[in-house]
Amino acid sequence: DIQMTQSPSFLSASVGDRVTINCKASQNINRYLNWYQQKLGEAPKLLIYNANSLQTGIPSRFSGSGSGTDFTLTISSLQPEDVATYFCLQHNSWFTFGSGTKLEIK
Amino acid sequence: EVQLVESGGGLVQPGRSLKLSCAASGFTFSNYYMAWVRQAPKKGLEWVATISTSGSRTYYPDSVKGRFTISRDNAKSSLYLQMNSLKSEDTATYYCARHTTHWGQGVMVTVSS
Repeated sequence: DIQMTQSPSFLSASVGDRVTINCKASQNINRYLNWYQQKLGEAPKLLIYNANSLQTGIPSRFSGSGSGTDFTLTISSLQPEDVATYFCLQHNSWFTFGSGTKLEIK
Repeated sequence: EVQLVESGGGLVQPGRSLKLSCAASGFTFSNYYMAWVRQAPKKGLEWVATISTSGSRTYYPDSVKGRFTISRDNAKSSLYLQMNSLKSEDTATYYCARHTTHWGQGVMVTVSS
């Protein structure tokens, strides 16, 4: 089974900061990695698919990079509405989630 | 707009059964693989079932294989999850998903005596 290690588990940053969240796969997953945002009480929302493709309607301050085993979600300029939990999902072999990153505004 | 609305959750005793439903709208249901994903309280997410467009192929992890059955009715744009022999560790919020792209709000299932 493929394990996903996500870091950090908690992140506090200021409005306007550049924020990065990482996911590391236990084996090569090519680019089969998605990123999601989940706000309190809402359904998870797809942000990035296949490592670096921006889902329709998602602001361009969100971007994804990586391939193989190491992946990064970047928010280029943090906005107040970005407070949420973010998690990754590998879909190369079955489906495995990262443990999540709770993002708050300082 | 893609909408997925789950129903059927609740409190159930260990060993009993429960069936979840998901009403889909805003897209051509029969064209998409569908799935159920769960999140136990204060724990991570787990993908529990996937079904092909026609329903002929289904996939489960070992944790639910033999106990859970995913099915669909394309004429009704509906997805189902039949859960049998429920255990306390099945307690979670269950999400209906249009594969990896869209999720519903989730429905809570509590397995407890």
